[in-house]
Amino acid sequence: DSGVTQTPKHLITATGQRVTLRCSPRSGDLSVYWYQQSLDQGLQFLIQYYNGEERAKGNILERFSAQQFPDLHSELNLSSLELGDSALYFCASSVYAGELNEQFFGPGTRLTVL
Amino acid sequence: SQQGEEDPQALSIQEGENATMNCSYKTSINNLQWYRQNSGRGLVHLILIRSNEREKHSGRLRVTLDTSKKSSSLLITASRAADTASYFCATHAGQAGTALIFGKGTTLSVSS
Repeated sequence: DSGVTQTPKHLITATGQRVTLRCSPRSGDLSVYWYQQSLDQGLQFLIQYYNGEERAKGNILERFSAQQFPDLHSELNLSSLELGDSALYFCASSVYAGELNEQFFGPGTRLTVL
Repeated sequence: SQQGEEDPQALSIQEGENATMNCSYKTSINNLQWYRQNSGRGLVHLILIRSNEREKHSGRLRVTLDTSKKSSSLLITASRAADTASYFCATHAGQAGTALIFGKGTTLSVSS
């Protein structure tokens, strides 16, 4: 158990819908990362927050957005869902934002868009 | 886009044998990390090797780094069935801060 929690574990929804994925980082970790894992694209970095502020953006679609709240939990919002958004979404956290910080991954949310 | 590329894509061995996975990357790095992922689960950090290190050990794991060839290898000695998983190398995203860029991974299957 990494100490990072993600809810829900599974999510099944229809195209065009909007969903929210939630992540609680390890106690004391200030940095939160979101990754998407799909069969064709592999593991892709989406976005990073550090202590409530956006720190870096990766291959995140405009239909997707995220935020980190004062209690440091984070939410990833996916809207106008398409079939291709079906994937495993991982949240990871680290103490700081430096390169030598190990990232601890949550168990993921499996999103299925029908 | 992938920074690291693992080789082979899949590896099947018997318990007790050694497993070697390789990773090549494209740009200069400050460190390289290896992660393990059991089927459909979250990733677990295995080891981090800095650019000024050539070799690092952790239990049955041995990682090497050759910055001149932009490559790394992960050796798992005396493999066990529980080592069955996908293994990914990861480097940092440069301009994208401290986010990790992963390769496509090597799927290791250890049979008893």
